[in-house]
Amino acid sequence: AQSVAQPEDQVNVAEGNPLTVKCTYSVSGNPYLFWYVQYPNRGLQFLLKYITGDNLVKGSYGFEAEFNKSQTSFHLKKPSALVSDSALYFCAVSDSMEYGNKLVFGAGTILRVKS
Amino acid sequence: DTAVSQTPKYLVTQMGNDKSIKCEQNLGHDTMYWYKQDSKKFLKIMFSYNNKELIINETVPNRFSPKSPDKAHLNLHINSLELGDSAVYFCASSPLGLAGDEQYFGPGTRLTVT
Repeated sequence: AQSVAQPEDQVNVAEGNPLTVKCTYSVSGNPYLFWYVQYPNRGLQFLLKYITGDNLVKGSYGFEAEFNKSQTSFHLKKPSALVSDSALYFCAVSDSMEYGNKLVFGAGTILRVKS
Repeated sequence: DTAVSQTPKYLVTQMGNDKSIKCEQNLGHDTMYWYKQDSKKFLKIMFSYNNKELIINETVPNRFSPKSPDKAHLNLHINSLELGDSAVYFCASSPLGLAGDEQYFGPGTRLTVT
């Protein structure tokens, strides 16, 4: 079965500094990887995905993620953090069936950006 | 326009009651999902429908019964509610339900069973 792990419950970073939220994956076959963000009392918002191609994927709100096949990682990054980036971030992998793709989520990482 | 909407946003009820949550998407997507987020924020798939056909039933108790009257709607009915059913339930949709499709989530329904 496909799975992802987010090794950090919480990441703290100062505003203006670069941020990294870590994710490692375990899949059989090709990995389809996603990052979502959840703000308090809100639904999940899609940030970016890796399907194939360039290992550096650019997404919404200035976020990007680096796919590393040898390290089975898909870390989320941003060059300069904003206080408004503070939220809960989920890494997910697609566990696909034909026309029935389900997302398997990591446990989530709380990002706190301090001014 | 809200892409994926759910009603109600909050639901407080007593053990043993039956309740329903409704979901609608106006994105023209073929596939819809129900996810459950527990108190520790852990998210897990419950059901998936593609064009009104049940595709995924992730070992959910049969007290939970999804219904899809058309591909834009996916409702969740829960019988004999238990304390452990308290959670936030998210509806989502994706264009075709393929591996590379991102899913679009609704705002969630917070269910509290007392």
